[in-house]
Amino acid sequence: QIQLVQSGPELKKPGESVKISCKASGYTFTDYAMHWVKQAPGKGLKWMGWINTYTGKPTYADDFKGRFVFSLEASASTANLQISNLKNEDTATYFCARSVRGFDYWGQGVMVTVSS
Amino acid sequence: EIVLTQSPTTMAASPGEKVTLTCLASSSVNYIYWYQQKSSASPKLLIYYTSSLASGVPDRFSGSGSGTSYSLTISSMEAEDAAIYYCLQLTSTPTFGAGTKLELK
Repeated sequence: QIQLVQSGPELKKPGESVKISCKASGYTFTDYAMHWVKQAPGKGLKWMGWINTYTGKPTYADDFKGRFVFSLEASASTANLQISNLKNEDTATYFCARSVRGFDYWGQGVMVTVSS
Repeated sequence: EIVLTQSPTTMAASPGEKVTLTCLASSSVNYIYWYQQKSSASPKLLIYYTSSLASGVPDRFSGSGSGTSYSLTISSMEAEDAAIYYCLQLTSTPTFGAGTKLELK
């Protein structure tokens, strides 16, 4: 069955970096794009961008240009999100989601807490 | 950016009641997608391409609409339907609505 399994929760200090992974299984990884979605505590869903899993080309939403990097380990069917120079407002749950007829499969989410 | 406005923000429905949630787009979109999110779980796709039911979703859920006006209908409210519902457009840079919180009365 199709699954997206994300890495575990993270507690970081302001200014540090974090790398989140999203491992896909049950389908051909390079056939479908992977998107990233942010959900701050008690807030709605915000699209961050996507990565072409065939070419590796990332596209970032305007609010996520600069400190955010999408990458792949295609041989491991894994998409990664790295956030550098963490700020308090980066505290959120980050989801990966496969793009087929909308976002049909989602990872379980990774809670990133940024606190001094 | 296309803004999606969902209404109502919050509502409560009794078991068996018909529920209609609305999503209005600031510009015309090709399709709307509907998601259900419970607590801190990941969103679940309910409806794709405006009116197609996602796999495993009960048929009491249905979607309709066109252009700038879309709706999600639950024909008969059940306790397990209490959740937050989001609409999504992919016609241009993806945007989500702010969500409708549906509670059980």
